[in-house]
Amino acid sequence: DTEVTQTPKHLVMGMTNKKSLKCEQHMGHRAMYWYKQKAKKPPELMFVYSYEKLSINESVPSRFSPECPNSSLLNLHLHALQPEDSALYLCASSPSGGANYGYTFGSGTRLTVV
Amino acid sequence: QQQVKQSPQSLIVQKGGISIINCAYENTAFDYFPWYQQFPGKGPALLIAIRPDVSEKKEGRFTISFNKSAKQFSLHIMDSQPGDSATYFCAASNTADSWGKLQFGAGTQVVVTP
Repeated sequence: DTEVTQTPKHLVMGMTNKKSLKCEQHMGHRAMYWYKQKAKKPPELMFVYSYEKLSINESVPSRFSPECPNSSLLNLHLHALQPEDSALYLCASSPSGGANYGYTFGSGTRLTVV
Repeated sequence: QQQVKQSPQSLIVQKGGISIINCAYENTAFDYFPWYQQFPGKGPALLIAIRPDVSEKKEGRFTISFNKSAKQFSLHIMDSQPGDSATYFCAASNTADSWGKLQFGAGTQVVVTP
């Protein structure tokens, strides 16, 4: 299995809703990442988990809450989002915490906040 | 401040032609330079990568040229095909950074006409 699977593929939520994005990989990778990508822009790093511990939080607002229940799963909990948070949310993993080992990205969750 | 500058923003090339995308960086600590290909609705996929100890790397129709003294690198797509139509991102990282943080360029949208 060489994939990073993200669910759901599409999500529409209101500004008062609570929802979660899920990411799963079974490649034995020990580093997992959340990226946010706006249209026609490069991915922006949000969070890095290394060996299931949060290693980097790129000053992301608290309405985004990551969770890494085990080495294969990564969640992103969403609460009280704003319309400007609408974007493609990408999960990625790598064998360890080094980009030179090669990231594998999922296909993303297209989030629309209304 | 973008640490990796990418040009052009967009590119139209005829089938069979050569697509050339250029990137420049300032941080001399960068020592890993990947290129990612992204199709609409998909996550980025690693295409090819180079380290500064080589000046060129070729994989099929894709070639990276690297100029360490100029702090520039470029992607050449030979014999461009309509299936190559995608957005291409250059990136750079410091492999001493154990969290695997990638700095992306702004992206180049390539359209290959039949």
